[in-house]
Amino acid sequence: EAGVVQSPRYKIIEKKQPVAFWCNPISGHNTLYWYLQNLGQGPELLIRYENEEAVDDSQLPKDRFSAERLKGVDSTLKIQPAELGDSAVYLCASSLSGVNTEAFFGQGTRLTVV
Amino acid sequence: LAKTTQPISMDSYEGQEVNITCSHNNIATNDYITWYQQFPSQGPRFIIQGYKTKVTNEVASLFIPADRKSSTLSLPRVSLSDTAVYYCLVPYYNQGGKLIFGQGTELSVKP
Repeated sequence: EAGVVQSPRYKIIEKKQPVAFWCNPISGHNTLYWYLQNLGQGPELLIRYENEEAVDDSQLPKDRFSAERLKGVDSTLKIQPAELGDSAVYLCASSLSGVNTEAFFGQGTRLTVV
Repeated sequence: LAKTTQPISMDSYEGQEVNITCSHNNIATNDYITWYQQFPSQGPRFIIQGYKTKVTNEVASLFIPADRKSSTLSLPRVSLSDTAVYYCLVPYYNQGGKLIFGQGTELSVKP
């Protein structure tokens, strides 16, 4: 069974440019998470979906970040415009349903903003 | 805001048992306790989950006292490949139910 797939694996962009990350969760998983992880720190939750509904986006910087999960399957996280401080690893995870079920993480996308 | 507290780092030697304790004073009735392991350049990986008393699987044991305000991850006979960061997670349903990672415990296993 395939795990959580994220792309691209690495991305380098200039500041003020837009960037998008894609996530394909494990088949049948209703819950999808996007996290941001800075070097040496734990992942920080950006948004959590239950099916296609964003049930927790309180920590998503909505002035520049947006996310969508069409048809409750794949998800895209977008940053526009990117800032130098957005350089980090963006992790996607999925679980069967809810926060008490085992979450499976993708490899992440390492974003570098120059 | 409720959070989990773990030691920042721990050192051990191959073959030893390692115990990492996490404090989660404001745990809610609906909360399970989950531990993840993360290697550099990889996403976190599930290790074990429990609600109370003791849970054991092929890689670890999880001990949770009756008041559930703390939990201890036990890794038997660690090897060099167990060098990683370990995270304790509690969703805190009474505060919105978020999967929040803390700083984690950086475990270093030496030969």
